[in-house]
Amino acid sequence: QSALTQPASVSGSPGQSITISCTGTSSDVGGYNYVSWYQQHPGKAPKLMIYDVSNRPSGVSNRFSGSKSGNTASLTISGLQAEDEADYYCSSYTSSSFRVFGGGTKLTVL
Amino acid sequence: EVQLVESGGGLVKPGGSLRLSCAASGFTFSSYSMNWVRQAPGKGLEWVSSISSSSSYIYYADSVKGRFTISRDNAKNSLYLQMNSLRAEDTAVYYCAREPEGAIHFDYWGQGTLVTVSS
Repeated sequence: QSALTQPASVSGSPGQSITISCTGTSSDVGGYNYVSWYQQHPGKAPKLMIYDVSNRPSGVSNRFSGSKSGNTASLTISGLQAEDEADYYCSSYTSSSFRVFGGGTKLTVL
Repeated sequence: EVQLVESGGGLVKPGGSLRLSCAASGFTFSSYSMNWVRQAPGKGLEWVSSISSSSSYIYYADSVKGRFTISRDNAKNSLYLQMNSLRAEDTAVYYCAREPEGAIHFDYWGQGTLVTVSS
């Protein structure tokens, strides 16, 4: 049950696009289209941003998009805004019927 | 409006026990799987346990298996986590999170309850 691998931090200027990667194995990310992404502001509960690799829940901005290639999933945020500054976590289903999270990525909007 | 409200957290000594509760409202609780996810201070999210809508399927992370027990009472719209043999490394904010049946993502989260294991 090793955590998925995410970069510790990414940054970008307002209006730019950034991508956060999430690397697993063929037993989790690569084996299922069950990757989800969560945004967490300090002191707050996580919020679902993307599910099933690339689907956005109702109410989530279309500036957020997800994709997957092999064992690596990605979250892209376009048109960066100050309110996007937060921690982002990926999650995947695993072959053991568990769920596993990434270590988290701190997004800084410069 | 979907609401998940955790309770039962607090300070407990190593080796002690604690029972967390999550009160659900605003949706048909019996139609959803539920999960516990925790977050140690300053750390990332860690999935703890999952229970299907009818309690037929239950899963635990290796880190808590044999010590924690997840359960639910659909008549009371409540989710529980019985935590025994607590360790310092169990110190965390514990969130309950809803998971649509047949789906693998957490679409609503509670605000969390803090569990501190310390002597």
